Amino acid sequence: DADVTQTPRNRITKTGKRIMLECSQTKGHDRMYWYRQDPGLGLQLIYYSFDVKDINKGEISDGYSVSRQAQAKFSLSLESAIPNQTALYFCATDRGTYNEQFFGPGTRLTVL
Amino acid sequence: AQKITQTQPGMFVQEKEAVTLDCTYDTSDPSYGLFWYKQPSSGEMIFLIYQGSYDQQNATEGRYSLNFQKARKSANLVISASQLGDSAMYFCAILTGGGNKLTFGTGTQLKVEL
Repeated sequence: DADVTQTPRNRITKTGKRIMLECSQTKGHDRMYWYRQDPGLGLQLIYYSFDVKDINKGEISDGYSVSRQAQAKFSLSLESAIPNQTALYFCATDRGTYNEQFFGPGTRLTVL
Repeated sequence: AQKITQTQPGMFVQEKEAVTLDCTYDTSDPSYGLFWYKQPSSGEMIFLIYQGSYDQQNATEGRYSLNFQKARKSANLVISASQLGDSAMYFCAILTGGGNKLTFGTGTQLKVEL
């Protein structure tokens, strides 16, 4: 089984709808991240969490919110989706600074 | 703030040849880590190799090696004996001493040809 899973893998929604993307990990790591990737670009950090009680904004947090329900679960919400939030979303986890991040398979979100 | 620059949007290499993917970085932090990730067309992000700023030797992982030139602030990825399965997007990334944020470059699309 995959160490980092994301649901759903693909989602098409309409402008103004609320969307939740979920991430679960079985690696036992405290640190989790949400990234967004736009076509032809690298990844941009949306939010990150270093433990269950810790939530931090990344470089592009506007329009997004997160919830860290447990060590293994980190959810990303789009309160009112807009078309320019169409992108590939990745969840990632690591065990500490200077350790590689393990990525989920990604969620491809399309906002019409 | 830290920054990664990948100046090669696309590269071609023949199968079995070596290829170098360029990466330069900018940071004022003396302590940092450099990462390379591979993203095949299927979309997943695959960790390839890591180099710490204080590491004396260049990192190697199988056919991947990192040509780390600290004074030039470059961290080029060298893939030896290219295979068709190496065709993918490759991202360089940096994590600085604060350890809060992995900053990615815009990537290089590598295509391996017969």
